[in-house]
Amino acid sequence: GESVGLHLPTLSVQEGDNSIINCAYSNSASDYFIWYKQESGKGPQFIIDIRSNMDKRQGQRVTVLLNKTVKHLSLQIAATQPGDSAVYFCAEMEYGNKLVFGAGTILRVKS
Amino acid sequence: DAMVIQNPRYQVTQFGKPVTLSCSQTLNHNVMYWYQQKSSQAPKLLFHYYDKDFNNEADTPDNFQSRRPNTSFCFLDIRSPGLGDAAMYLCATSRDYIMGEQYFGPGTRLTVT
Repeated sequence: GESVGLHLPTLSVQEGDNSIINCAYSNSASDYFIWYKQESGKGPQFIIDIRSNMDKRQGQRVTVLLNKTVKHLSLQIAATQPGDSAVYFCAEMEYGNKLVFGAGTILRVKS
Repeated sequence: DAMVIQNPRYQVTQFGKPVTLSCSQTLNHNVMYWYQQKSSQAPKLLFHYYDKDFNNEADTPDNFQSRRPNTSFCFLDIRSPGLGDAAMYLCATSRDYIMGEQYFGPGTRLTVT
């Protein structure tokens, strides 16, 4: 079936810098996307979501951008902090009820 | 306060010995999901319940079963665990299909010896 994938498996950033995590998706019919953060030994934690009728959505220190033309999703984290270190998953909602997760990107924040 | 609770957090079972993992929620959500997550991989959906309606994924082995006796509780039964079933098992809930945000529990890490 169609899948969601990530370009970079590991991203290292300096504390205070901005982080950008990218995700490519292949199902043009998907209409809902979510970014999750997963810390070691914990379940995924919702960060931000976006529907396909939008191209940008902002939260606290985070911004999600959706480019439907090239089927690309990104998560921007402003002023990255050590507590942001985790695995980040994008997920794509298919058929209204099934989340398909991407492979995950490890974000490492250097102090 | 925890909204999606999973017990136990760590479970050790023997090869072939049935095991049950439990999930409860205080959100009164209609949908409950079970995911399997192996090391360094993304969560993979096994099945979900919308209220009492069970929805199995096509590639979920028959070895995995689920029960949802009421809105708050959902169980994952592994009838004959194999070494390949060692993983983190995640429970999640969502209000319904339209509001797609899923809330995850902390997971149960299953070890098979």
